[in-house]
Amino acid sequence: DAGITQSPRHKVTETGTPVTLRCHQTENHRYMYWYRQDPGHGLRLIHYSYGVKDTDKGEVSDGYSVSRSKTEDFLLTLESATSSQTSVYFCAISDRVEYGYTFGSGTRLTVV
Amino acid sequence: RKEVEQDPGPFNVPEGATVAFNCTYSNSASQSFFWYRQDCRKEPKLLMSVYSSGNEDGRFTAQLNRASQYISLLIRDSKLSDSATYLCVVKGRDDKIIFGKGTRLHILP
Repeated sequence: DAGITQSPRHKVTETGTPVTLRCHQTENHRYMYWYRQDPGHGLRLIHYSYGVKDTDKGEVSDGYSVSRSKTEDFLLTLESATSSQTSVYFCAISDRVEYGYTFGSGTRLTVV
Repeated sequence: RKEVEQDPGPFNVPEGATVAFNCTYSNSASQSFFWYRQDCRKEPKLLMSVYSSGNEDGRFTAQLNRASQYISLLIRDSKLSDSATYLCVVKGRDDKIIFGKGTRLHILP
């Protein structure tokens, strides 16, 4: 399997606090993505990156920001966590979109 | 019409049976198609790409019908380990990737 790790695996945080999730890859893939998965909604794209310092918004980007200062790391930040951001967050990588994605193991975030 | 639509199931199928499910997509310009498998509380994993001429990987067969805008997945001789949620994924010409919400499959002993 491709080398992609997410940290932390689980996190509980309080409403209003900032939270940063990390995605790290060892595959040197160009594209990196952050998704959230919720019951009834499936996977929804938050932000994605097509290279160092090149990022763009997905369909549910409000309340989230990202940074990619190195090819291998893609950070997702919740500026001020809300209960509606309780979810499972998946990072994915791709060398070419036609080849599909490889997902990380996910981060379960609970905002209380 | 939703961009990618799947029957959520669950499909309850006895072990050894053949099961098939479809996924419809709305954008006729869609270019790439995939099936992913997701086990409970795990990440999605690529099961197979779907090619225009159809393709097979062991007990799994994927088909694309561009005229009717759907893809299908057929599983033969189903195993208990096939129990999972199967996600349909479609890529448009603009590289936009759309995930279906998945079809749950339960293989019964």
